[in-house]
Amino acid sequence: NAGVMQNPRHLVRRRGQEARLRCSPMKGHSHVYWYRQLPEEGLKFMVYLQKENIIDESGMPKERFSAEFPKEGPSILRIQQVVRGDSAAYFCASSSGRGQETQYFGPGTRLLVL
Amino acid sequence: GDSVTQMEGPVTLSEEAFLTINCTYTATGYPSLFWYVQYPGEGLQLLLKATKADDKGSNKGFEATYRKETTSFHLEKGSVQVSDSAVYFCALSDESGAGSYQLTFGKGTKLSVIP
Repeated sequence: NAGVMQNPRHLVRRRGQEARLRCSPMKGHSHVYWYRQLPEEGLKFMVYLQKENIIDESGMPKERFSAEFPKEGPSILRIQQVVRGDSAAYFCASSSGRGQETQYFGPGTRLLVL
Repeated sequence: GDSVTQMEGPVTLSEEAFLTINCTYTATGYPSLFWYVQYPGEGLQLLLKATKADDKGSNKGFEATYRKETTSFHLEKGSVQVSDSAVYFCALSDESGAGSYQLTFGKGTKLSVIP
């Protein structure tokens, strides 16, 4: 399967724990976007990364959230000390990065904070 | 900043009915426009796109035309099927100034097609 992969698909955490969400881009893609979808809402941009670089993190909450895309391995979105308001679906999308290339989405990780 | 406004749902149609979902946008540059579809419990799938004014995107019987004069990108289908039941998102992509072509989404329109 050459599509965008995300894991886990579902994640349950208690308040105060850490959540780690992984995204492997489509083969040949080196650009990753993360989006958050709150219940009954559209998707909101969080962060845009290339390999080993954060290009635009203007949509990231200032605290507790971080993202990385190492030279080897998947992109990771990390949420520290989760709160109930972090419960959402988190999607990543990949593109080849040339101009306004189409973004291809993964199936998402649905985070539930108890 | 950029924004997308789309028709709020839910929309319920009978099979073979005509579908229109309105979408208008505000952007500072020259965006590309997209329609994505999300089936229950799944991620977003690209349905169609248009990259410049007067372009028409089409796929699986769905169509949308990039209208710069009315800043619109309405989605249409002549005859819907039960399998078209899903949430439809209109989105635009515009260079953010930070080198990012992030997508800006509308809130989504839930479509239910009944037999």
